[in-house]
Amino acid sequence: EIVLTQSPATLSLSPGERATLSCRASEYLTNYLAWYQQKPGQPPRLLIYDAFKRASGTPSRFSGSGSGTEYTLTISSLEPEDFAVYYCQQRANWPRLTFGGGTKVEIK
Amino acid sequence: EVQVLESGGGLVQPGESLTLSCAVSGFPFINFAITWFRQPPGKGLEWVSTVSATGTKTYHADSVQGRFTVSKDTSKNTVDLQMKSLRVEDTAVYYCARDDGLSYFDFWGPGTLVTVSS
Repeated sequence: EIVLTQSPATLSLSPGERATLSCRASEYLTNYLAWYQQKPGQPPRLLIYDAFKRASGTPSRFSGSGSGTEYTLTISSLEPEDFAVYYCQQRANWPRLTFGGGTKVEIK
Repeated sequence: EVQVLESGGGLVQPGESLTLSCAVSGFPFINFAITWFRQPPGKGLEWVSTVSATGTKTYHADSVQGRFTVSKDTSKNTVDLQMKSLRVEDTAVYYCARDDGLSYFDFWGPGTLVTVSS
């Protein structure tokens, strides 16, 4: 099983600030990584796939980067609606998909 | 418009069975695989089961292998998750989601809560 470790667990920031979220994998992912946003009481929403490609409807302030075992989701300037939990997901070991433990972006 | 909707959740006792259903519309059902995930209250996401686009191949996580069965009914546009020998640790919100063809998930249902408790 590929283990994904997200850091930090919680990120306390103000609107307008830049958010940098990390996802580290136990094995090489060949960029087969996605990022999801989840708000309370809602299902996850796909933001980024294949490490850096924006899903339909994802605002341009969201960007993905990285390679190998280290990946990053950056939110260039936080909007009020961006405060949520973010998960990374790998498909390199399909069908045994795994998620990271999540990073909560909260209002400072 | 793509729609995904789970149903069938509820409260059951350990050892009992339950079947969840996922109804989809708005896209050619036979062209897309469907996957079930779950999320225990306050915790992260876990892959549970996947059924292929045609319904001929199924895959299950080790934690549910031998207890859960996933099936696709292309005539009804539904995917069922049959769960047997339920355990307390199976308590979670269960989501079904459409595989976009790359094993990422672009449409999700709102989820259905399964509680296993005596």
